[in-house]
Amino acid sequence: GAVVSQHPSRVICKSGTSVKIECRSLDFQATTMFWYRQFPKQSLMLMATSNEGSKATYEQGVEKDKFLINHASLTLSTLTVTSAHPEDSSFYICSASLPAPYNEQFFGPGTRLTVL
Amino acid sequence: DQQVKQNSPSLSVQEGRISILNCDYTNSMFDYFLWYKKYPAEGPTFLISISSIKDKNEDGRFTVFLNKSAKHLSLHIVPSQPGDSAVYFCAASDTSGTYKYIFGTGTRLKVLA
Repeated sequence: GAVVSQHPSRVICKSGTSVKIECRSLDFQATTMFWYRQFPKQSLMLMATSNEGSKATYEQGVEKDKFLINHASLTLSTLTVTSAHPEDSSFYICSASLPAPYNEQFFGPGTRLTVL
Repeated sequence: DQQVKQNSPSLSVQEGRISILNCDYTNSMFDYFLWYKKYPAEGPTFLISISSIKDKNEDGRFTVFLNKSAKHLSLHIVPSQPGDSAVYFCAASDTSGTYKYIFGTGTRLKVLA
């Protein structure tokens, strides 16, 4: 149980385009999902916390207009990288959290974004 | 400000021996800690966790030790196997808050056959 999927696994796009990444909890309902990015050989940096039916909470330094997060249902959250630039190239990982009192996070397999 | 640190970026251990990975944190509000294993271009895989009410948790070959006074935790893997070679991240959470995880910088473990 507790499987989280991401789609696409890999995307290459041109600079200036927008890219949408989906995160789904396949066998449980997640009221909270998290979005991380990882640069090569670096830690996973939390970008934002996504709560179903409400606005996402962004970490300091993360542009909310650049990284649009929508958590429309208890099993789906999307991250849209708007007007992507080469510096947005990274590995994006989502996680879905079990509801209280467990709150365990389960991670998706990640999405490799390359912006040309 | 790195609230969770793993000061050893890499570690090599002989197969069959013990691997000890260390993690330090600064935020005294953290009360739940986890270890994840990660391969390149994959999401992290949960290994083991520990609540601050404990000082040790064991699961098979994996044991996590927590020293709250020193704000230090460690992961012991014994015996180490070549398949354990990966990057290991510790993570910390304040369960009175948003439950978000703050990850350490990672340690690359290489188990030599």
